[in-house]
Amino acid sequence: GENVEQHPSTLSVQEGDSAVIKCTYSDSASNYFPWYKQELGKGPQLIIDIRSNVGEKKDQRIAVTLNKTAKHFSLHITETQPEDSAVYFCAASTDPLNTGFQKLVFGTGTRLLVSP
Amino acid sequence: SAVISQKPSRDICQRGTSLTIQCQVDSQVTMMFWYRQQPGQSLTLIATANQGSEATYESGFVIDKFPISRPNLTFSTLTVSNMSPEDSSIYLCSVDSTSLLGEQFFGPGTRLTVL
Repeated sequence: GENVEQHPSTLSVQEGDSAVIKCTYSDSASNYFPWYKQELGKGPQLIIDIRSNVGEKKDQRIAVTLNKTAKHFSLHITETQPEDSAVYFCAASTDPLNTGFQKLVFGTGTRLLVSP
Repeated sequence: SAVISQKPSRDICQRGTSLTIQCQVDSQVTMMFWYRQQPGQSLTLIATANQGSEATYESGFVIDKFPISRPNLTFSTLTVSNMSPEDSSIYLCSVDSTSLLGEQFFGPGTRLTVL
């Protein structure tokens, strides 16, 4: 089955710096890669995703890149702000039966701390 | 995205008892899922709640321990049976998006402590 590794486990940056979180996956059939932000005491919130037919996607200060050959994808946050502090999870999924149902396998999470 | 609510938001239970967690969505969804997030850990899929049929469980999770109901397209329950301290976790409900593009959206979670 799919296995997703995520690094680093913790990341501390100064406000305004960039933050990069990296994930690798094992199943070459995986075709959907979402990123979630989980604030303390809350459920995970989908912040951006990318599909296997795209190499990069941006949404304001957040971008995700995908390298299918190397089977890794990364989350980039620019101009970080204290409110970006949270735990970030990557995930990978496949839809082998083409049902529209993506079975998500999550990485281990990265605790991001943005200091003012 | 759908608005998802869970009840209770947290609970403290005694060993050997059972707790039923409810998940309510404000719109009809095809797929509903239940995840477990152990303290400081990642999310693990427990099962897919199928409307009108038995849930589909992932390896390591069984129906006797985690019975699931899905009576309609907006509601599901997860029961944690015969609890032990090892069941202390956050239990999360998620739903797929109506776009069928694979996005999943999560509820706020139920924080369970078993003494």
